[in-house]
Amino acid sequence: QSVLTQPPSASGTPGQRVTISCSGSSSNIGNNYVFWYQQLPGTAPKLLIYRIYQRPSGVPDRFAGSKSGTSASLAISGLRSEDEADYYCAAWDDSLRGWLFGGGTKLTVL
Amino acid sequence: EVQLLESGGGLVQPGGSLRLSCAASGFTFSSYAINWVRQAPGKGLEWVSAISGSGGSTYYADSVKGRFTISRDNSKNTLFLQMNTLRAEDTAVYYCAKDEYSFGPSYYFDCWGQGTLVTVSS
Repeated sequence: QSVLTQPPSASGTPGQRVTISCSGSSSNIGNNYVFWYQQLPGTAPKLLIYRIYQRPSGVPDRFAGSKSGTSASLAISGLRSEDEADYYCAAWDDSLRGWLFGGGTKLTVL
Repeated sequence: EVQLLESGGGLVQPGGSLRLSCAASGFTFSSYAINWVRQAPGKGLEWVSAISGSGGSTYYADSVKGRFTISRDNSKNTLFLQMNTLRAEDTAVYYCAKDEYSFGPSYYFDCWGQGTLVTVSS
């Protein structure tokens, strides 16, 4: 069971906006940066959002990260078929002194 | 181009051992911390271990502490994970992942290998 809690699934139609939540605690999300990784089917994870809201070069501005207290969110606007993937939040945990990942959210584009 | 290539996975019996390798290229290997992250079949990601660029500092998840040992050979640009006393729950694809700079709460994994599958079963 992951300490960072994500919904197991999310879905939307092309063009819609979807939001994926990630809930943690004061020892992880509440006190540290949040990162988001995208894993396309059959591939390794890839960085999508870093330090809460920043996007690596090449990631479209349709992807937006945010954080409030001990929770974080990933919003995807203008949904496209190629966004169908698993999305993982990650945060450092001060108690464990290591990285925690959420359980992952499988995004389906209907 | 930054590249990481894992090898060494396979089928091993419970209680057995296995050594994974991760060959790096395209960057100054000794300047960056490297991690192992695993993914059980159909499951999410789990951080396993990390090592500093010099190899002088190592870090482990509680689930593998005392059983797994991370090391690196900077002269050969290669990372290792020695896995002992393997259990069924260690079955996973093991990825090596390069840190943006060093190991810690501010830095992300900026490059991942393609993974190597470890299956622990009798």
